Amino acid sequence: KAGVTQTPRYLIKTRGQQVTLSCSPISGHRSVSWYQQTPGQGLQFLFEYFSETQRNKGNFPGRFSGRQFSNSRSEMNVSTLELGDSALYLCASSLLRERGNEQFFGPGTRLTVL
Amino acid sequence: AQRVTQPEKLLSVFKGAPVELKCNYSYSGSPELFWYVQYSRQRLQLLLRHISRESIKGFTADLNKGETSFHLKKPFAQEEDSAMYYCALWGAQKLVFGQGTRLTINP
Repeated sequence: KAGVTQTPRYLIKTRGQQVTLSCSPISGHRSVSWYQQTPGQGLQFLFEYFSETQRNKGNFPGRFSGRQFSNSRSEMNVSTLELGDSALYLCASSLLRERGNEQFFGPGTRLTVL
Repeated sequence: AQRVTQPEKLLSVFKGAPVELKCNYSYSGSPELFWYVQYSRQRLQLLLRHISRESIKGFTADLNKGETSFHLKKPFAQEEDSAMYYCALWGAQKLVFGQGTRLTINP
């Protein structure tokens, strides 16, 4: 099975711009979660989608949004970029949303905001 | 709110020595705990989960509800164990990670 893929792998943007990141989960996985990883804050949960519905959201401003399509692919969008948004954005997919389900991570998208 | 604490950012041990990576959690409900590992230039991946009570690559972890801990242990470290280790808690429908511990095994 192909693993979780994320595109693009690297992005450089300037403050005020917006960005869209894409995630393709493992075939058959219906749950997609997004995380932000920074040296200072570590791995922080952004949101989770299941069957095209956002089921849970972390403590991030409304500039961070996402969606999931009928084929389970997901996108996240960050508007009005700030310097502090520079981070590695990880996507993870799992078969179900239930407790104990292993999450499979993608390689991440490295976003740099100048 | 749930919280996971890994008190050591860096841990260095010699090959063949025992390893213990500490993890403490705070959660009012019944937690589900995991250890994820990231080897150099690889993706973050699941190492083990408390519900399985299994040993993976010689690592074990026991959930201690009294001490709210889920420490990761291995009796004899190997060089290939060098990696970044994250303790994570599933609670309130999301996975919360600790800050991670970078483990270095010296030859």
